[in-house]
Amino acid sequence: DVKVTQSSRYLVKRTGEKVFLECVQDMDHENMFWYRQDPGLGLRLIYFSYDVKMKEKGDIPEGYSVSREKKERFSLILESASTNQTSMYLCASSPYRQGIYGYTFGSGTRLTVV
Amino acid sequence: EDQVTQSPEALRLQEGESSSLNCSYTVSGLRGLFWYRQDPGKGPEFLFTLYSAGEEKEKERLKATLTKKESFLHITAPKPEDSATYLCAVQGSSNTGKLIFGQGTTLQVKP
Repeated sequence: DVKVTQSSRYLVKRTGEKVFLECVQDMDHENMFWYRQDPGLGLRLIYFSYDVKMKEKGDIPEGYSVSREKKERFSLILESASTNQTSMYLCASSPYRQGIYGYTFGSGTRLTVV
Repeated sequence: EDQVTQSPEALRLQEGESSSLNCSYTVSGLRGLFWYRQDPGKGPEFLFTLYSAGEEKEKERLKATLTKKESFLHITAPKPEDSATYLCAVQGSSNTGKLIFGQGTTLQVKP
């Protein structure tokens, strides 16, 4: 089974800190995604990547950046954390851009910015 | 613009009381419709993929169906352990590789 591993289940950070959320998948998937999930707003796409070194903006990229230096790892960076970035962050991967594939999700990181 | 709407937002059932969750979609060229289950504080887990109208898939007490405009997730004789949020997502021809998610239906099954 494909596994998507997010480095932390819970994080508490201070306003203004630079925050790194790490995601690693172990099945050579090309596509990786970062979402945030908030009550009443559902899943919102922040950034995604179809290949190493590639990144594309999702629906809410402001305040975030990403890095994909290796195929298996996709990092989400909060440049200067703010309280409105308190949320559940979900990483997902899928095999290829072409074809019809669902996502495999990680277990999520609950980030609280104080 | 591709869009997915799930209803109801929340559903409370008694154990054994069958019901259905709805997922309505507008998408240019449906390639696949996906159902996920999400337990509190966890990531979504894959349930089903449906590819074309008329298709049905089953797993234990769950059955997913698909028409040209909507999908239903039928829950037969639910148990408390079926309590979760159920998410629907679509992949259209204009969003290759990306899924568009609905906001989910939170199901609570009381013993």
